[in-house]
Amino acid sequence: EPEVTQTPSHQVTQMGQEVILRCVPISNHLYFYWYRQILGQKVEFLVSFYNNEISEKSEIFDDQFSVERPDGSNFTLKIRSTKLEDSAMYFCASHPVGLGETQYFGPGTRLLVL
Amino acid sequence: RKEVEQDPGPFNVPEGATVAFNCTYSNSASQSFFWYRQDCRKEPKLLMSVYSSGNEDGRFTAQLNRASQYISLLIRDSKLSDSATYLCVVHRRGNTGKLIFGQGTTLQVKP
Repeated sequence: EPEVTQTPSHQVTQMGQEVILRCVPISNHLYFYWYRQILGQKVEFLVSFYNNEISEKSEIFDDQFSVERPDGSNFTLKIRSTKLEDSAMYFCASHPVGLGETQYFGPGTRLLVL
Repeated sequence: RKEVEQDPGPFNVPEGATVAFNCTYSNSASQSFFWYRQDCRKEPKLLMSVYSSGNEDGRFTAQLNRASQYISLLIRDSKLSDSATYLCVVHRRGNTGKLIFGQGTTLQVKP
């Protein structure tokens, strides 16, 4: 069964450093998302991406964040200058066609900012 | 008011018990509804979609009441492996596809 993959599984970084989180969505999927979950809190939407552009972003997704689909398979989330409060689990998700369809989540990257 | 509200629990039940979780949503434009399951430190995984007529998948039954903006999940004959956090999730009409998550309800099934 195809699945969404994410790398790295864990990342520890110093405050102010840049991090890039990588995702490989399921191959025939067209819609891509990043969510985050701070420890003990709910899953929160960050950004959606379709047709090579951002279709929606949340208040969390400020100008320190960016997303890119540099080739036909990878989907990346970059945090330019990390803050302590960026420490969270970051999940990538994708789905094929049709808004409201089931989204499939990757295993997540646990980011710890020191 | 939170857009999706759930009782966080925990619900502690013995094996074989029947347990029900409830969820309310505040935005009447919500269109699609799901229950996801999340194990500790893992990704959310779809348990089932929720349809207006109600739907069942084995031991799991989901119901939707649009008038009351209320969703439920019933688990019959609980197994130890059902221990997890159950996330109520909605997709709102007009959105780009983003999902809105509840806080989750934690279930612990004990032998």
